[in-house]
Amino acid sequence: DAGVIQSPRHEVTEMGQEVTLRCKPISGHDYLFWYRQTMMRGLELLIYFNNNVPIDDSGMPEDRFSAKMPNASFSTLKIQPSEPRDSAVYFCASSLWLAGGFEQYFGPGTRLTVT
Amino acid sequence: AQKVTQAQTEISVVEKEDVTLDCVYETRDTTYYLFWYKQPPSGELVFLIRRNSFDEQNEISGRYSWNFQKSTSSFNFTITASQVVDSAVYFCALSEARTGNQFYFGTGTSLTVIP
Repeated sequence: DAGVIQSPRHEVTEMGQEVTLRCKPISGHDYLFWYRQTMMRGLELLIYFNNNVPIDDSGMPEDRFSAKMPNASFSTLKIQPSEPRDSAVYFCASSLWLAGGFEQYFGPGTRLTVT
Repeated sequence: AQKVTQAQTEISVVEKEDVTLDCVYETRDTTYYLFWYKQPPSGELVFLIRRNSFDEQNEISGRYSWNFQKSTSSFNFTITASQVVDSAVYFCALSEARTGNQFYFGTGTSLTVIP
């Protein structure tokens, strides 16, 4: 079975440019999460969706960040305009709610460098 | 307040030694879930185990074992006869039924196994 797929794996961009990160969750999963990981702040939850609907976006740093999930098999995280402090590894994860609990499965991450 | 505390920032052991990674959590929920993830140098986050709050049985999987103790709010992870491939950052996480599917991650413990 294919795991969570993220693209691109690496992105280098200049300050002020728009960046779009993409995620394809595991087929059949009903939750999708976007995280950011930095040395200073560790793993931070940015936003999560349930059945394509955003449930909690309180972790989104500011209005420069936006996320969409137009269908069950695709989500994007957009940063516009990007800033050097956005440099981090961005992870997408998906999960399936079951009565006994659930676990999140993570994609390989996108390493973003903003110069 | 930190919901998940991993007090050990870095641990180094010599190959074949046993090592225990500590995880202490804080919750008022009676229903919650605990997880361990491994992040090897390649960067991906790998799910290791989920434990539900109503199941205090310890679990063993090969060289890995987990000790869940509600009385001390701990969910410790032991690697027996450590190997170089065990070198990674290990994260403990908590999810509460009350707050939905949001994960609270600890800050991670970096384990280095020296050959």
